[in-house]
This record gives sequence, C-alpha cells and structure tokens, in this order.
Amino acid sequence: EIVMTQSPATLSVSPGERATLSCRASQSISSSLAWYQQRPGQAPRLLIYRASTRATGIPARFSGSGSGTEFTLTISSLQSEDFAVYYCQHYNIWPPNTFGQGTKLEIK
Amino acid sequence: QVQLQESGPGLVKPSETLSVTCTVSGDSIGSHFWVWIRQPPGKGLEWIGYIYDNGNTHYNPSLKSRVTMSVDTSENQFSLRLSSVTAADTAVYYCSRLLNYGDYVYDIWGQGTMVTVSS
Repeated sequence: EIVMTQSPATLSVSPGERATLSCRASQSISSSLAWYQQRPGQAPRLLIYRASTRATGIPARFSGSGSGTEFTLTISSLQSEDFAVYYCQHYNIWPPNTFGQGTKLEIK
Repeated sequence: QVQLQESGPGLVKPSETLSVTCTVSGDSIGSHFWVWIRQPPGKGLEWIGYIYDNGNTHYNPSLKSRVTMSVDTSENQFSLRLSSVTAADTAVYYCSRLLNYGDYVYDIWGQGTMVTVSS
C-alpha cells in the first residue's frame, strides 16, 4: 500500500501571504496526485489533479507541482475562504485510493 | 448541475447493518464510476469502494468482507451496506463521482451523512 504523508500537520499563515503544503508518497506515483480542500462541515472539493491540473472552477491562486514522490500545493495570496484542511490523494494504483492525513491551514 | 444527496439512518446499533443511499440528480448514473468514502469524526478520509453502472464493484480490502454496494439505474441511485458495524464505523459517509476513467479522482461529492454506531 502506498502511504501518503503530508507536512506540516498545521500551517499558520496570514491572509494575503503565500502558503506551501507538502505531500510525500512512500513510492513513486508519477504525477498521479490530487489535492482536495475541506472546509469545516463541508465535503472535500477537488482542487488539483495530475499533480498540477486545476479542476473546473478552481482559482488560479491554487497551483500544484511535483512528480515521483514529492509534491507541493501552493496557494498564493491567501483569502479568508482558503483556511481549511487540505488532503492529498494518490491514484497511481487504483483501486483503492489512499489519502494523506491532511494539513490544517489556519489564520496566523 | 450535477448533485449528489446521501440519505442514511443517523444511528445504527452495534452488530447491525448500516445502509446509505446516494441519489444522483443532473446526470445519468450511467457510464460513471460511483464511490463511497467515509470520514470518522476529526479524522481523515477512507475510500470504501466503487460501483459502476453495470453493477461491477471493487471494495477496500480492509472492509471487503462487510461491504455490499448496489445500483438502481431506474431511480438514479446507488447504495452502500456495511454489516456487523462497530463504533469504529461511526463516520460521515460521502458518495462521490469519479472524474473519468484514468483520472481516479473525485469531482462531485454529496454533502455527507453522519452515521453513529451506538446502542
């Protein structure tokens, strides 16, 4: 089973600043990596897939990068609605999927 | 606009069977993979399994012995049954749609239904 490890567990950033979230796979997953945002009390929302492709309707301030085992989600100029939990998910081998444990992005 | 709506019992007794249904609107259930994902309170996401419109399924090995999924194309619904539940099955249960075959990610989600296992 491929294990996804996200860091940090909690990230404190001020509105308007840039946030960088990391996700590491226990083995190479090529570019088969997605990112989701989950606001409190809501379902996850797909942000990025194929490591760097924005899903429909996702603002350009969200960008993804990486391949192999190391991946990054960058949110430039944080808005109030961006403070949430972010999960990475691999799909190199499907099924099943596994998700990372999440990074909570909080207001500094 | 595609929407998914879960419906579930809210409370299930230990050792009984949990049943949750997802109703799809704005899209045909045909030609898509549909999945169930759950999230225990305060924890991360766990993939339960998928069902295709022809009834083909695949379940998470960790739950396989207790999971059954079914689809009703006439009602545009699909369902999850989880037997012999324990407190560890307490979670929000989400239904979702696979983006496409090849990109095994989930673009449409229901709002989730909370199921608590307790006597």
